[in-house]
Amino acid sequence: GAVVSQHPSRVICKSGTSVKIECRSLDFQATTMFWYRQFPKKSLMLMATSNEGSKATYEQGVEKDKFLINHASLTLSTLTVTSAHPEDSSFYICSARRTGVVNYGYTFGSGTRLTVV
Amino acid sequence: QQPVQSPQAVILREGEDAVINCSSSKALYSVHWYRQKHGEAPVFLMILLKGGEQKGHDKISASFNEKKQQSSLYLTASQLSYSGTYFCGSLETSGSRLTFGEGTQLTVNP
Repeated sequence: GAVVSQHPSRVICKSGTSVKIECRSLDFQATTMFWYRQFPKKSLMLMATSNEGSKATYEQGVEKDKFLINHASLTLSTLTVTSAHPEDSSFYICSARRTGVVNYGYTFGSGTRLTVV
Repeated sequence: QQPVQSPQAVILREGEDAVINCSSSKALYSVHWYRQKHGEAPVFLMILLKGGEQKGHDKISASFNEKKQQSSLYLTASQLSYSGTYFCGSLETSGSRLTFGEGTQLTVNP
């Protein structure tokens, strides 16, 4: 159990366009999901906490208007990179925590490699 | 605030042991350990909750000293499959977000 599906796995887009990444918990409900960004050979940097039915909580320095997060259901969170630029190219990973279960590992999606050209 | 991991990198021969440390300047509710292979998502290894708690998973075990805000991951009789980057993640409260250390790159050679 505890499977998180993330799509797409890879995407190439042109500068100025927007890209949507989906994160789904397949066999559990997740009131809270998290979006991370990872640069090559670097750590996972938390971007924001996605809360079902309410606004996301962004980490300091993360532009809310650039990285739009929507958590419309207990199993789906989306991250939209708006007006993408080459510096937005990165590996984006989501993770989910089981609702109502506190002492449990977080499950990660398989990640999305975004390349902006 | 990010936990601090050490060492940054370790190279082992198959069968050797390694210890990876993780420390925080803040009081911790729990510590998580993950392993990530190149180009893949992190995979959950274990979670430690209480001060002094230790857990084992095959030949990988970990301890958590709540008072010192430190955790250590022990890999014994390493296998080639253990290669990857190990991250510790810390939670300050049960409902807070998981923040990760910089990672320790472990390479196991034949």
